[in-house]
Amino acid sequence: DQQVKQNSPSLSVQEGRISILNCDYTNSMFDYFLWYKKYPAEGPTFLISISSIKDKNEDGRFTVFLNKSAKHLSLHIVPSQPGDSAVYFCAASEDNQGGKLIFGQGTELSVKP
Amino acid sequence: KAGVTQTPRYLIKTRGQQVTLSCSPISGHRSVSWYQQTPGQGLQFLFEYFSETQRNKGNFPGRFSGRQFSNSRSEMNVSTLELGDSALYLCASSLLNGGTGELFFGEGSRLTVL
Repeated sequence: DQQVKQNSPSLSVQEGRISILNCDYTNSMFDYFLWYKKYPAEGPTFLISISSIKDKNEDGRFTVFLNKSAKHLSLHIVPSQPGDSAVYFCAASEDNQGGKLIFGQGTELSVKP
Repeated sequence: KAGVTQTPRYLIKTRGQQVTLSCSPISGHRSVSWYQQTPGQGLQFLFEYFSETQRNKGNFPGRFSGRQFSNSRSEMNVSTLELGDSALYLCASSLLNGGTGELFFGEGSRLTVL
């Protein structure tokens, strides 16, 4: 049972344009959502997070939107840069105090110059 | 500040053998979690340790076990290895009780089972 789903395995975007990565979840107990970025041969690195009490969180070029009623979140990257090319994982947890995250399967973003 | 350190980085084993992987968390982090990454399944949670106690456990068979030492370092063990255990094993540490919930990952230990 996949509680967190990223339905697009890959996404290709032109440099300077917007990248939108999507994530759906099924568990209504999830209270905290995070995005991680992973380059080959490296561990995932934290990008941005959002609590369920918010519907938007911004950090520079990265914005995460949360739609609780639809159980959907998205990550917007504007403007996209070639260095953003990586695999992006959406993750969820029932609180922000534990080490147990449920990850989606990842979306490979390719930003073309 | 040193990051999460995992050893070994690469290893090859044969079916039926056992393996032990090691993880040193970021200084001051008392929570250590382990994840398995495979191409088909993504990152799957194995277990979490805090103050030498298992705090959470994922849906993996009993062949997968772990422990945490008093200095917060952690080890995970896989016994009776199967071909399907070939994966990247990632360790992550976090600062509980006042932290943001963010996990800091190591570079992983890539296990190949032949």
